[in-house]
Amino acid sequence: AQKVTQAQTEISVVEKEDVTLDCVYETRDTTYYLFWYKQPPSGELVFLIRRNSFDEQNEISGRYSWNFQKSTSSFNFTITASQVVDSAVYFCALSELDSSYKLIFGSGTRLLVRP
Amino acid sequence: DSGVTQTPKHLITATGQRVTLRCSPRSGDLSVYWYQQSLDQGLQFLIQYYNGEERAKGNILERFSAQQFPDLHSELNLSSLELGDSALYFCASSARTSTDTQYFGPGTRLTVL
Repeated sequence: AQKVTQAQTEISVVEKEDVTLDCVYETRDTTYYLFWYKQPPSGELVFLIRRNSFDEQNEISGRYSWNFQKSTSSFNFTITASQVVDSAVYFCALSELDSSYKLIFGSGTRLLVRP
Repeated sequence: DSGVTQTPKHLITATGQRVTLRCSPRSGDLSVYWYQQSLDQGLQFLIQYYNGEERAKGNILERFSAQQFPDLHSELNLSSLELGDSALYFCASSARTSTDTQYFGPGTRLTVL
């Protein structure tokens, strides 16, 4: 069955530290999509990145980078030189044909960046 | 700002009542999705509409219903409300197919007293 696991419930770091948020997924589909969303304290869900299952290239966007490894069914998210504004809940999500491409979310990781 | 709008932002009502949540998708998007975020269930997919037609259904209660209108805005109707229906309800939209990225609105926080 399709599933997304974010084992880290809460992470606390000091500003400027690097932090990696883990995401492990389960799917039987060969074509699927993976996402990260950010939910700041204000509550909205902000789209960060989308990858399809055929593209294992890592991606970097400013201080954010993502490491997709099909061999371990993982799609991890690293924030380099964290800032207080990065404090939020981060959700990993899976979308696949078997589930009509609805988003299946992990339980989220709450990141607290302390000054 | 994702371009998806939701009203109202907050809603407080009593058990047994009925409420309607409204969503306007991003300009040009044809698909609308509804999700519920609660403390015990996390973020869960409720229902999807594409160009006015229901496309996929998730864990949506029979007391809940939705529709998408010709102008593509959508409404989620929640009736016979219970305390457990208190949650943040999100609407998302995507361009055309279900494989496109879903962009979320700011959500409607429903409190049932």
